Amino acid sequence: DIQMTQSPSSLSASVGDRVTITCRANQSITIYLNWYQQKPGKAPKLLIYAASSLQSGVPSRFSGGGSGTDFTLTINSLQAEDFATYCCQQSYSTPPTFGGGTKVEIK
Amino acid sequence: EVQLVQSGAEVKKPGESLKISCKGSGYSFPNYWIGWVRQMPGKGLEWMGIIYPGDSDTRYSPSFQGQVTISADKSISTAYLQWSSLKASDTAIYYCTRQTRPRWDAMDVWGQGTTVTVSS
Repeated sequence: DIQMTQSPSSLSASVGDRVTITCRANQSITIYLNWYQQKPGKAPKLLIYAASSLQSGVPSRFSGGGSGTDFTLTINSLQAEDFATYCCQQSYSTPPTFGGGTKVEIK
Repeated sequence: EVQLVQSGAEVKKPGESLKISCKGSGYSFPNYWIGWVRQMPGKGLEWMGIIYPGDSDTRYSPSFQGQVTISADKSISTAYLQWSSLKASDTAIYYCTRQTRPRWDAMDVWGQGTTVTVSS
């Protein structure tokens, strides 16, 4: 199975900040990397697919980048509703695997 | 609106059987793959397996092969996840997800989750 590693595991930020989360795969997954947001007690929600494509309805302050083994999720101008856990997932090979998550908390 | 609606929370004893469901609406259910994802308490997401309701083609993660059974009834737009003998370690939230293809594609729609608690 492909192993996905996220960093940091948590971070504190303020409304208006720019936040970047990193996800690394232990082998190349080309662009098959997806990002999800999960709020407490809720199901994950797809934000970014294929490394950099914004899912319909997701605010443009979210962006993704990278290819191969290293990827980033950036949130520009963090909003109150963005405090949540973010998780990456590779869809390059079966089984799909997830990163451990990054919890974005209010500073 | 495209949605997946899952059955309600379950409390079971070790050794009991269980079948939970996931009903799709707002799209052509037979033509999209339905996957299942486990989230144990305070932990990350784990992919269990996936089924294509159109022809019941089913694939399992090696970690879950033989531990659960995934099925679907396209006539009622419903997919299922079942256990024949639950263990305490099956306590988790289980999500169903939708994908266009079993590989390459993201999980674009998620059910609300079904909490399964197994305790004596």
